[in-house]
Amino acid sequence: AQSVTQLGSHVSVSEGALVLLRCNYSSSVPPYLFWYVQYPNQGLQLLLKYTTGATLVKGINGFEAEFKKSETSFHLTKPSAHMSDAAEYFCAVLLNNDMRFGAGTRLTVKP
Amino acid sequence: AAGVIQSPRHLIKEKRETATLKCYPIPRHDTVYWYQQGPGQDPQFLISFYEKMQSDKGSIPDRFSAQQFSDYHSELNMSSLELGDSALYFCASSQRPGPLISYEQYFGPGTRLTVT
Repeated sequence: AQSVTQLGSHVSVSEGALVLLRCNYSSSVPPYLFWYVQYPNQGLQLLLKYTTGATLVKGINGFEAEFKKSETSFHLTKPSAHMSDAAEYFCAVLLNNDMRFGAGTRLTVKP
Repeated sequence: AAGVIQSPRHLIKEKRETATLKCYPIPRHDTVYWYQQGPGQDPQFLISFYEKMQSDKGSIPDRFSAQQFSDYHSELNMSSLELGDSALYFCASSQRPGPLISYEQYFGPGTRLTVT
């Protein structure tokens, strides 16, 4: 079965700095890949997804992620962090209708 | 666009009580999934249904049961509630899965269950 590893359970950046949240997956074939954001006491909001086609995908709120098959990675980036980006971020993989989530990365944005 | 609807959004129960969570999928979605997210944890798959039949089973306790109805909505029934059942329960829906095809799952806002 596929699995997801998010490196770093907590990431802290200054407002305006680059955001980089790391996600690696293991799967026998390239899965569908997702990034979700979860604000406190709220549900999962889809940021972006990769299914097929262009490996650089752009999502909401200025986030983007690049699927790198050779590195089995799908890291999430944003050029300039905003205070409102502070939240929990989950990477997820979907293969054969089996959805697996990473453990999550809590992003803190310092003023 | 219509989204996945879950009710209630918040539920408080006492130990040993029962609870029923409801999920209404996106129109024309016939597959429903249930997930449990404990405090500070990632969502864990519980169970899924396609065309009213259980299609896959994850880490769902024996005290829990679920079903899907003819209108494709689903209910998660939880009995003999324990403190550890306190969590956010997500429902997701998708189109009919194929043998080598996965369809994106659309998540509802979740039901927050608190067991006291």
